[in-house]
Amino acid sequence: EIVLTQSPATLSLSPGERATLSCRASQSLSSNFLAWYQQKPGQPPRLLIHGASSRASGIPDRFSGSGSGTDFTLTISRLEPEDFAVYYCHQYGSSPTFGPGTKVDFK
Amino acid sequence: EVQLVESGGGLVQPGGSLRLSCSASGFTFSHYAMHWVRQAPGKGLEYVSEINSHGSSTYYSDSVRGRFTISRDNSKNTLYLQMGSLRTEDTAVYFCVKDALCSGGNCYSAYDIWGQGTLVTVSS
Repeated sequence: EIVLTQSPATLSLSPGERATLSCRASQSLSSNFLAWYQQKPGQPPRLLIHGASSRASGIPDRFSGSGSGTDFTLTISRLEPEDFAVYYCHQYGSSPTFGPGTKVDFK
Repeated sequence: EVQLVESGGGLVQPGGSLRLSCSASGFTFSHYAMHWVRQAPGKGLEYVSEINSHGSSTYYSDSVRGRFTISRDNSKNTLYLQMGSLRTEDTAVYFCVKDALCSGGNCYSAYDIWGQGTLVTVSS
């Protein structure tokens, strides 16, 4: 099983600041089968990024994904108030797994 | 509107059984693989199971293999999860999830549509 590790566990920032979230896989991901989701309290996750760097439909361009192999990054260029949430990475290869999440909260 | 609506959650005793259903609308259900993902209260996401578009191939995480059975009825646009030998650690919100691109087989994609989830509580 591929284990995903996310860091930091919590990121305390202010609106307008840049957020950089990390996801590391225990082994290299084939074809960069890596996605990022945003989840707010009481809501299901929302797909943000797939294929490590492709934005899903309707996702603002302040969200960007990068990385390959075992190291991946989600960047939010300028935090909006609605971006404060928990973010999960997800590898969707043959045995899918999720990372433990990074909470982005108000400083 | 593309929509997934889960039902069937509730309180069940350890060792008991429960069947979850997920009604799909707004897309051609029979074209897509479907998944169940769960989230224990206050915890992260855990992958549970997958079924291909035809219902002929399934996958289970180690934590539920042998106890849960995923199935689908394409004529009713409905996904199911039959849960047996339930344990307290199965307590979670169970999300029905649509594969973004794939019908199954050697094809992998992210998950683009999630239901609101149904809560399963296993407790005596």
